[in-house]
Amino acid sequence: EPEVTQTPSHQVTQMGQEVILRCVPISNHLYFYWYRQILGQKVEFLVSFYNNEISEKSEIFDDQFSVERPDGSNFTLKIRSTKLEDSAMYFCASISFSYNSPLHFGNGTRLTVT
Amino acid sequence: DAKTTQPPSMDCAEGRAANLPCNHSTISGNEYVYWYRQIHSQGPQYIIHGLKNNETNEMASLIITEDRKSSTLILPHATLRDTAVYYCIVSGGSYIPTFGRGTSLIVHP
Repeated sequence: EPEVTQTPSHQVTQMGQEVILRCVPISNHLYFYWYRQILGQKVEFLVSFYNNEISEKSEIFDDQFSVERPDGSNFTLKIRSTKLEDSAMYFCASISFSYNSPLHFGNGTRLTVT
Repeated sequence: DAKTTQPPSMDCAEGRAANLPCNHSTISGNEYVYWYRQIHSQGPQYIIHGLKNNETNEMASLIITEDRKSSTLILPHATLRDTAVYYCIVSGGSYIPTFGRGTSLIVHP
C-alpha cells in the first residue's frame, strides 16, 4: 500500500539554524499538510497546501516557517531560524482529491533544537 | 478547538471488544466522523470514517447514532498491539482535521 515517507527520522540542530524537513506524499494525492506534536501534547495543524500554494495556516505557522513543493514529488517544511520551542515531532500528511478522503500520515521527523 | 469529546482513558482485556465512545453534538450535516489512532509517537493512522451509516472495515466498525451526535468505534477482538491513543475527528468542507486529546486505550493480557 502506498505511504507517505518523511526524512530524516531524527534531526538535531542548534538554535538559530535553518532546517528543512522533507516529505514524499502519496503519488496521486493533491492536498498536503504539516502537523506538529510537542512531546506530551496534542497533534497541532500547521499548514495545508494545494495547487502549489498555501490553502490555510495556523497561528503557529509564522514567518519563520515556509513550505514548498519543489518538484512533482517532494513537499518540504523549512524553519528559518530554529528556537528551542520548535523541538517536536513534525508529521506530513496528504489526501487525494475526494471530498471525504482521510488523511494519510508519515511517521514523522523528530526535531531536536539544542 | 476539537469538536468532539472523548474519555481520556479506557482499558480492555485482550481478545475482548473495545468500544470507544465519542460525542460530537455540534456536527454539521456535511461533516464526516473520522477515527485515527497513534501508537507511541508514530504518525496518526487512519482507521475508519462515516457520514451517517454504520461502517465496517478490516480494522474496526463505526456505529453512528441516528441523530449523528455521537459515535462508537468498535475493535472487535482487541490485541496488545491495539494499545494506542484513539482520536475521533469531525471534519468536512475546508477539511482541516483538528486533533483533541483522544482516548488512551490500554489493552491488557
